[in-house]
Amino acid sequence: GIQVEQSPPDLILQEGANSTLRCNFSDSVNNLQWFHQNPWGQLINLFYIPSGTKQNGRLSATTVATERYSLLYISSSQTTDSGVYFCAVTKQAGTALIFGKGTTLSVSS
Amino acid sequence: SQTIHQWPATLVQPVGSPLSLECTVEGTSNPNLYWYRQAAGRGLQLLFYSVGIGQISSEVPQNLSASRPQDRQFILSSKKLLLSDSGFYLCAWRDLQVTGYEQYFGPGTRLTVT
Repeated sequence: GIQVEQSPPDLILQEGANSTLRCNFSDSVNNLQWFHQNPWGQLINLFYIPSGTKQNGRLSATTVATERYSLLYISSSQTTDSGVYFCAVTKQAGTALIFGKGTTLSVSS
Repeated sequence: SQTIHQWPATLVQPVGSPLSLECTVEGTSNPNLYWYRQAAGRGLQLLFYSVGIGQISSEVPQNLSASRPQDRQFILSSKKLLLSDSGFYLCAWRDLQVTGYEQYFGPGTRLTVT
C-alpha cells in the first residue's frame, strides 16, 4: 500500500519563528489533506491540497504531485500552533485516508 | 451547515465488557462514514468505512465491529473488550456534493480498557 512519511518527527521553535513540515508519499494520490491535532485530540482541517499551492493566514501549503511531496509552511509561529500536524492521502477517490506518523510541534514563548 | 457528534467523549471499561460508540452527522445525506483509531503516541489507522446504510467495509481484522443502522449514524461495537482496544476513536465523514473528497473528523472518544 501507499506509504506516507513526515519529517521532522519533532520540532521545537521559539514564538515568531518560521517552519516547514514535509510529507512524502510513495505513489500517486488524488487527495491530500493537512490536519492539526490540538491538545484535546480534535483534528482540525488545515488544507485540502492534492496539487498546487494554498494559503490561509500564516499557514500555506504546496503539493507537487509529480514529485510526490507536500510542504506545510507556518510563519510567525505562536504558542497556539503547538500540537501534532498530520498529512494524510488517499490513492483512489472516496477511499479512506492513509496517515503519516505526524510532526509534533512545540512553540514556546 | 454540517456537524458531526461522537459520544461518549471518554470511557473507562473493564476487560471483557461490551462496547458501543456512536457517531452521528447532521446536515448531509448519504455521507461516507469512517472509523479511525489512534493508539497512544501513534498515527491514525482506519478501522471501518461505510458508503451507505448496512454497507460496512473492514480494513483490519480485530475485536471490533461496525454498523450503520441509519443514513447518518455509525456505531462501533465490541462484545468483549481487550486491553489492546484502548485508544482514541475518531469518526469522520465526507459528502461528495458538499465537501468533495475532503474528510472531516468528529471530536473523538477516548477509551481506556482496564
